[in-house]
Amino acid sequence: DTAVSQTPKYLVTQMGNDKSIKCEQNLGHDTMYWYKQDSKKFLKIMFSYNNKELIINETVPNRFSPKSPDKAHLNLHINSLELGDSAVYFCASSPYRTSGYEQYFGPGTRLTVT
Amino acid sequence: AQSVTQLGSHVSVSEGALVLLRCNYSSSVPPYLFWYVQYPNQGLQLLLKYTSAATLVKGINGFEAEFKKSETSFHLTKPSAHMSDAAEYFCAVTMDTGRRALTFGSGTRLQVQP
Repeated sequence: DTAVSQTPKYLVTQMGNDKSIKCEQNLGHDTMYWYKQDSKKFLKIMFSYNNKELIINETVPNRFSPKSPDKAHLNLHINSLELGDSAVYFCASSPYRTSGYEQYFGPGTRLTVT
Repeated sequence: AQSVTQLGSHVSVSEGALVLLRCNYSSSVPPYLFWYVQYPNQGLQLLLKYTSAATLVKGINGFEAEFKKSETSFHLTKPSAHMSDAAEYFCAVTMDTGRRALTFGSGTRLQVQP
């Protein structure tokens, strides 16, 4: 009964490869997000989808492409991985029409590019 | 634009002592403020939130925070630290602009000494 789940939890790959991270939420929320946490623990928004529509696209290299097949899923595909992509990637979700605005986070995917 | 400043990247307290983690925000409109906790190798867990109702907000695990508009602060406190409180704590802000992305502070690592 996990609220926000991500797979895989750990991902080790070589430079130049293409990889995907999957996220699913069973909270019935209609907004989902991807955040990146760097080695200094700093968290920054990458993308946000509301009802499968992209509403936030920060200055992220276009090697990163989010895809939302439905409201409950938001996947992140990364092409031509670089060393600097090594980080922890968090998926989150929130209900759009609420006064709370709080977000619920997944356990994270630790990506290591060698 | 919105931003969050957390004073003190590391805070060390003795078990049973008062915990005080500082957060100051900058926001052009009334903010929504949050504290999240991150235990090692885990995702972010919501501790508490301020959404313009009561200025003193109580959260989980005995934590509370007070919103002070005049000081643009939202400091997190706990009267008596427990060993299990050792973790990374993040203050975050968002606004009711439709964008909904959280802007995080740089985090404060809380260490609890026996």
